[in-house]
Amino acid sequence: DAKTTQPNSMESNEEEPVHLPCNHSTISGTDYIHWYRQLPSQGPEYVIHGLTSNVNNRMASLAIAEDRKSSTLILHRATLRDAAVYYCILIIYSGAGSYQLTFGKGTKLSVIP
Amino acid sequence: KAGVTQTPRYLIKTRGQQVTLSCSPISGHRSVSWYQQTPGQGLQFLFEYFSETQRNKGNFPGRFSGRQFSNSRSEMNVSTLELGDSALYLCASSLGSVVLANNEQFFGPGTRLTVL
Repeated sequence: DAKTTQPNSMESNEEEPVHLPCNHSTISGTDYIHWYRQLPSQGPEYVIHGLTSNVNNRMASLAIAEDRKSSTLILHRATLRDAAVYYCILIIYSGAGSYQLTFGKGTKLSVIP
Repeated sequence: KAGVTQTPRYLIKTRGQQVTLSCSPISGHRSVSWYQQTPGQGLQFLFEYFSETQRNKGNFPGRFSGRQFSNSRSEMNVSTLELGDSALYLCASSLGSVVLANNEQFFGPGTRLTVL
């Protein structure tokens, strides 16, 4: 089974960039990488997703390694509202409309004022 | 636009009972997925319904089942509850099926189930 590995926790100073890593060594060419974050007492919230190339949106950037075995979520300027648990998720297509969702354990990001 | 709503928000049951949780997706969304979140196992995928059909299922026993109605609302049922079923149950809706992998999922706040 595919696995995703994330650090348990990270800290960042406010207004500084944050790089949140995720290892997914068993990924294949059609597996998507998604990132969600979860604030306390809330359901997860979509951040960004990608397949092969780097992606940017208003919230963050996603850098995908050339071999696709790791990815990095980049928050360009951390704010206090970015303090959350960040999940790296693989959507692994297994053919005939079937797929597997593999979740990382999540990285708890603390932002220091 | 109203978000994903889940009812009830909190539930206490005893072992052996059964429970039904409800999820109302965002208007226009045809996919509803269910997830279990526990401190030990983290987030785990239960199943997805799209246009009233179960599209995919995670690795959970048959005690966990669900259904989707023609208005896309979904229910999840757990029979013969065990202590280990205590968890936060989240549902998420999206426009298209999760299998397309290009869809953003919108999560509800969850139902906190406690089994005594």
